[in-house]
Amino acid sequence: EVQVVEPGGGLVQPGRSLRLSCGTSGFTFDGYAMHWVRQAPGKGLEWVSGIIWNSGSIGYADSVKGRFTMSRDNAKNSLYLQMNSLRPEDTAVYYCAKDMIDWGQGTLVTVSS
Amino acid sequence: QTVVTQEPSFSVSPGGTVTLTCGLTSGSVSTSYYAGWCQQTPGQAPRTLISNTNTRLSGVPDRFSGSILGNKAALTITGAQADDESIYYCILYMGSGIWMFGGGTKVTVL
Repeated sequence: EVQVVEPGGGLVQPGRSLRLSCGTSGFTFDGYAMHWVRQAPGKGLEWVSGIIWNSGSIGYADSVKGRFTMSRDNAKNSLYLQMNSLRPEDTAVYYCAKDMIDWGQGTLVTVSS
Repeated sequence: QTVVTQEPSFSVSPGGTVTLTCGLTSGSVSTSYYAGWCQQTPGQAPRTLISNTNTRLSGVPDRFSGSILGNKAALTITGAQADDESIYYCILYMGSGIWMFGGGTKVTVL
């Protein structure tokens, strides 16, 4: 069974940094692209970033480009999102998704003073 | 900047058929956009129903189907059930590693 789990959210002050992680099991991790998707309270889904199997191509939404960095560790079956210079508008539930097909339950990130 | 467009809402009768569309403010959607469709109910994580335009994922009822209609991607629900009342999001591959969601369509079954 495919499992995708995103621990590591929380409350952070504006301008500070936070690193999200995503643990996976039940599939060959290095065979798939992975994505981060977020959803602000009461809003729709927003694609944040995606990375192909070998980290050879990483894409970012304009809203996070230059502030967020996505990476993966295929040896640990894990995905990461380093979020710097956080803003209140980054407040959202962040989802990790395998190939945009299998989703985690999400983790809430709140950016507030 | 190109935006992905979806109808804000649709209403369908139980047993009826509804077709949701996913377009672009500039240009036409083709199979090269690898359109996907996700279903989300309040408080839940999204669930992907369709990938790569028309591939129904394992466990998804066959009343859900994906296609290209004219210059848009489309999700058709044939024989709608009460359980289908949700928000449906399309997602398109825009190239260069970039994906984009539409704003979502709220489907009401009544």
